[in-house]
Amino acid sequence: GDSVTQMEGPVTLSEEAFLTINCTYTATGYPSLFWYVQYPGEGLQLLLKATKADDKGSNKGFEATYRKETTSFHLEKGSVQVSDSAVYFCALMIQGAQKLVFGQGTRLTINP
Amino acid sequence: EAGVTQFPSHSVIEKGQTVTLRCDPISGHDNLYWYRRVMGKEIKFLLHFVKESKQDESGMPNNRFLAERTGGTYSTLKVQPAELEDSGVYFCASSQEGGYTFGSGTRLTVV
Repeated sequence: GDSVTQMEGPVTLSEEAFLTINCTYTATGYPSLFWYVQYPGEGLQLLLKATKADDKGSNKGFEATYRKETTSFHLEKGSVQVSDSAVYFCALMIQGAQKLVFGQGTRLTINP
Repeated sequence: EAGVTQFPSHSVIEKGQTVTLRCDPISGHDNLYWYRRVMGKEIKFLLHFVKESKQDESGMPNNRFLAERTGGTYSTLKVQPAELEDSGVYFCASSQEGGYTFGSGTRLTVV
């Protein structure tokens, strides 16, 4: 079945460090890929998405590229801030379906 | 536009008791979804309403869970009787012709 695997957390970095959170997927169809973020005390928010191979999603300095050949959608940011501390979820949605399949989430803590 | 509202935000109940979670979607959104995250694991799909009809309830774990969406507006998710393994965060989301909007979730603790 369809599944998403994220790198284990928690991840702790210093401010201005480079961030990578790995995400790989298994899908029977042609998925759209998403990164959601949950800040403390808030709901899930869409961070970025990509709908087809080689698309790059970007938002708030974060980027992720849809790599069909490696079935990956790794999240990157060049210089993280304390305000980026949150839980990050990678997810997919199969074309024609409406439900999201999530990874287990990665808790990110940025220290000043 | 108001977002997706869930309440209560937290609930602590004893094993065997009943709990009802409520979700108010964005007005006019036909699609309403329930998801849950148990014990820091992945967020899992529970079910999907289109208006008042259950489009997909393949993720409902067992018959102790009952979801309703009378009138196609707000939805309730009842757990009866609650078990320890039901503890987790229950998320609701709604959508129309586009992406999801999630609520803040209800954290359910069964003791």
